[in-house]
Amino acid sequence: AQSVTQLDSQVPVFEEAPVELRCNYSSSVSVYLFWYVQYPNQGLQLLLKYLSGSTLVKGINGFEAEFNKSQTSFHLRKPSVHISDTAEYFCAVRLFGNEKLTFGTGTRLTIIP
Amino acid sequence: NAGVTQTPKFRVLKTGQSMTLLCAQDMNHEYMYWYRQDPGMGLRLIHYSVGEGTTAKGEVPDGYNVSRLKKQNFLLGLESAAPSQTSVYFCASSSYGDTQYFGPGTRLTVL
Repeated sequence: AQSVTQLDSQVPVFEEAPVELRCNYSSSVSVYLFWYVQYPNQGLQLLLKYLSGSTLVKGINGFEAEFNKSQTSFHLRKPSVHISDTAEYFCAVRLFGNEKLTFGTGTRLTIIP
Repeated sequence: NAGVTQTPKFRVLKTGQSMTLLCAQDMNHEYMYWYRQDPGMGLRLIHYSVGEGTTAKGEVPDGYNVSRLKKQNFLLGLESAAPSQTSVYFCASSSYGDTQYFGPGTRLTVL
């Protein structure tokens, strides 16, 4: 069975500083990878996804992520964060041929003015 | 185009009461899902459906039932609510091989 690990439950970052949110997955078969964002009291919104092709994926709001198969990682990065990036971020994995998503436990990103 | 909508937004139940959560999507998606979100546990799949008239169990199905009588609707039922079912419930829908789109959530408290 597949699993997703987000080691950092909370990440505080100063405004305009860079940030990296870590995601590692475990699976015996090939996977698709996703990052979702949840703003306070809202549903989840897709930030970006890796299905195939280039391992560097760009998403909305200036975020990007890199798929590293050897390290089974899909870390999310942004070079300069803003107050509006305050949210919870979820990494998720989906197996090839399967529509179900398995989510990590989430990372709460707090931006310090 | 409303996307995925959920009814109600908030609900408070007493232990043992029953209720139904409604999810509706207007994107003609085949797949629909119900998740629950609890602090520190991410989202966990309760039940899902791969098409009208079909349902299947997810990771945490106990205490819940679902029905998909129409393609655009997916109902989640609690027959006898328990405090452990206090959670935020999210519905999602997708086409085959595509992104899952989420509703705004229902916050349920069971006293």
